[in-house]
Amino acid sequence: KAGVTQTPRYLIKTRGQQVTLSCSPISGHRSVSWYQQTPGQGLQFLFEYFSETQRNKGNFPGRFSGRQFSNSRSEMNVSTLELGDSALYLCASSSNPTRTYNEQFFGPGTRLTVL
Amino acid sequence: AQSVTQLDSQVPVFEEAPVELRCNYSSSVSVYLFWYVQYPNQGLQLLLKYLSGSTLVKGINGFEAEFNKSQTSFHLRKPSVHISDTAEYFCAVGQAGTALIFGKGTTLSVSS
Repeated sequence: KAGVTQTPRYLIKTRGQQVTLSCSPISGHRSVSWYQQTPGQGLQFLFEYFSETQRNKGNFPGRFSGRQFSNSRSEMNVSTLELGDSALYLCASSSNPTRTYNEQFFGPGTRLTVL
Repeated sequence: AQSVTQLDSQVPVFEEAPVELRCNYSSSVSVYLFWYVQYPNQGLQLLLKYLSGSTLVKGINGFEAEFNKSQTSFHLRKPSVHISDTAEYFCAVGQAGTALIFGKGTTLSVSS
């Protein structure tokens, strides 16, 4: 079974631009969560989608948004990029988070650098 | 609200020595506890998890952790480390239906 895939793996953008990151979950998984990882703040939860609906949301500004498609693939978008948005963005999938805990499987991440 | 504190940001050890990575958590309700490992340029991989039952949990690569409810701790241990264990380790807490809360990580550096 293929793991979680994220594209692209690396991105360089300039301040003010916008960016879209993509995540394909493990086949059969319906939940996708996004995390931002930085050296200073560690891993912070952005949002979670389940069956195309946002179920949970972290404490990030509205510039960060996401969506999930009917095939469970998910995208996150960051508009008006700031230098502080430079980070590793990790996607994790699980089969059914509404039941007793389901293990989250992480992708390799997208490294975003904002210049 | 839940929180996780990893008490050591960096832990240097020699190969074949034992190691303990410390994790304390705060929560007003029952939670699930996890340890993840991240190798350079990779995502997170689950080492082990505590959901219920026995407080001593065994994971992959020879790691184990002990859940201590009275001390709200979930320390990770390995009796003998290898160079290949060099990585960043994250402790996390969660509940069913909610996002994981991660600690800031502990960098384990194993040298010969």
